[in-house]
Amino acid sequence: KNEVEQSPQNLTAQEGEFITINCSYSVGISALHWLQQHPGGGIVSLFMLSSGKKKHGRLIATINIQEKHSSLHITASHPRDSAVYICAVLLIATDKLIFGTGTRLQVFP
Amino acid sequence: AAGVIQSPRHLIKEKRETATLKCYPIPRHDTVYWYQQGPGQDPQFLISFYEKMQSDKGSIPDRFSAQQFSDYHSELNMSSLELGDSALYFCASSSGLAEQFFGPGTRLTVL
Repeated sequence: KNEVEQSPQNLTAQEGEFITINCSYSVGISALHWLQQHPGGGIVSLFMLSSGKKKHGRLIATINIQEKHSSLHITASHPRDSAVYICAVLLIATDKLIFGTGTRLQVFP
Repeated sequence: AAGVIQSPRHLIKEKRETATLKCYPIPRHDTVYWYQQGPGQDPQFLISFYEKMQSDKGSIPDRFSAQQFSDYHSELNMSSLELGDSALYFCASSSGLAEQFFGPGTRLTVL
């Protein structure tokens, strides 16, 4: 069993739909990252969370430390949101980021 | 705003050759991390440096070494390259344990 699991693995949506990507982890963490990776491979950090909720534009990330679960929401999705979204957790008292397997999102016009 | 810079962006080497990848962190960031992402795989943590000292180590092969210099840039040295070393190598930087910012990656192909 992976230490970080994401669901769904693949997601297709129509432009304008509300999207949720889930992440569950089984290890002790000091923070959780949501990352976006485009086809060229570049990784962009969207959020780093250690509690509660953060919002940036159309993106919202939440984390429930007790339940070891985080969600990434995209409101009013757009084709340019098409990418792989990766949840990565920072192991407590280390520098190690453990990555989830990613969710491939395709948004169609 | 300045981002993490990696060079080269693409590198092609033969088996058993050596390669050096460079990472220039965001100004005033003191921590650098190296990750390896094989084709179709999740990124894997290799090694990290804080204030020029190795701070943590992951699944880095013994054939690889890395260091952080006085200007905080870091180099990943890879020797006796194998076909399986072909991957995208990311560097990230942060200020202490704050959010990591990723570079664009170096795509290494070993023939």
